[in-house]
Amino acid sequence: EVQLLESGGGLVQPGGSLRLSCAASGFTFSNSAMSWVRQTPGRGLEWVSAINGGGDGTFYAVSVAGRFTVSRDNSKNTLFLQMKNLRAEDTGLYYCAKEPGYTYGTGNWFDPWGQGTLVTVSS
Amino acid sequence: IQMTQSPSSLSASVGDRVTITCQANQDISNYLNWYQQRPGKAPKLLIYDASEVETGVSSRFSGSGSGTDFSFTISGLQPEDIATYYCQQSHSLPPTFGQGTRVEIK
Repeated sequence: EVQLLESGGGLVQPGGSLRLSCAASGFTFSNSAMSWVRQTPGRGLEWVSAINGGGDGTFYAVSVAGRFTVSRDNSKNTLFLQMKNLRAEDTGLYYCAKEPGYTYGTGNWFDPWGQGTLVTVSS
Repeated sequence: IQMTQSPSSLSASVGDRVTITCQANQDISNYLNWYQQRPGKAPKLLIYDASEVETGVSSRFSGSGSGTDFSFTISGLQPEDIATYYCQQSHSLPPTFGQGTRVEIK
């Protein structure tokens, strides 16, 4: 069974940093692109970032480019999202999700999703 | 690409046929996926490529459409179908979601 388990969320002040992790199991991790999708009361579901299976390609939403960095450790089946210079509008539930192929691109979907980790940016 | 779902919420009786629509602001061919999010849970893929039912998903869920107009149908609403349903386009990057349709039991 494919499973994804996020961790690392918490309360952080504006301008602060957090590192999210997503532990994957039940599939060949290095064969799959992975995405981060967040859910906020104001903007609903929003794709945040993605990384190809081998880490040879990273992609970001305009709203987080330059502040967030996605990476993966295929030897440990783990996906990461380093978040810096956090803003109040980054508050939300962050999900990692598996894509069907090696590369992030058109024609993809998200399946499955982890249970999410909550990020709260507030002073 | 902007995705617009309607209605934003609906209430129906057990056994009813329920239909949700999703409209894209440009042609997305059949690159349209549907997800179910039960209360307190993560989204779950139900339909991909507009009409393909994900393995293991109940046959009472179906999808149709192409271009800019799509629909999602539950043929016989069950109590376990209480959830918010989202469409998502994968025609152009970045992928974008509709605002969701909350389905409740009358």
